[in-house]
Amino acid sequence: RKEVEQDPGPFNVPEGATVAFNCTYSNSASQSFFWYRQDCRKEPKLLMSVYSSGNEDGRFTAQLNRASQYISLLIRDSKLSDSATYLCVVKPLGYSGGSNYKLTFGKGTLLTVNP
Amino acid sequence: EAQVTQNPRYLITVTGKKLTVTCSQNMNHEYMSWYRQDPGLGLRQIYYSMNVEVTDKGDVPEGYKVSRKEKRNFPLILESPSPNQTSLYFCASRGGFSYEQYFGPGTRLTVT
Repeated sequence: RKEVEQDPGPFNVPEGATVAFNCTYSNSASQSFFWYRQDCRKEPKLLMSVYSSGNEDGRFTAQLNRASQYISLLIRDSKLSDSATYLCVVKPLGYSGGSNYKLTFGKGTLLTVNP
Repeated sequence: EAQVTQNPRYLITVTGKKLTVTCSQNMNHEYMSWYRQDPGLGLRQIYYSMNVEVTDKGDVPEGYKVSRKEKRNFPLILESPSPNQTSLYFCASRGGFSYEQYFGPGTRLTVT
């Protein structure tokens, strides 16, 4: 099982649609979880962290299910500007040194929002 | 403005010709890292550094070297580039108490 697996996509949705991305991780000791966004040919940027209780930022909602080792990202009322690749990122539990620094990235899911 | 810069942004070179890609951050971050991104493979970590003079291998270190002589700089060195190192390279940094990683704009390298 890969460390971090995402829906392969691509997702093509009309403006205004609700779209959900899923991500599973293999290391049950993983500590922290994030969603990054990457526009075409640009660098990844942090979209939001994922907290155990779930969290929301405007149209974006992230949820974590530790028992199932599953993370999700929900985008409501999607806009053209939401078109990008969404990367699921996991930080394993680390106590010191490099293990405390490593982030593992999923391969990403491409979203295209159409007018 | 807080940022990570990389140079060059685009580079075409030939097999075996040594090259260096520079990376600099102005946020006083301890941690810096290099990634390569390839279609279908996602982002893979090449090397990382936890502080000055402290570096370690990531997932795909073969064919690369790094150094961290100053906190702000973390150059990536390809001593003898080969075509399988053609890729999009990102440098990244983060502060010790934050998990937010800041990426540079990327360097698109082609080795012929």
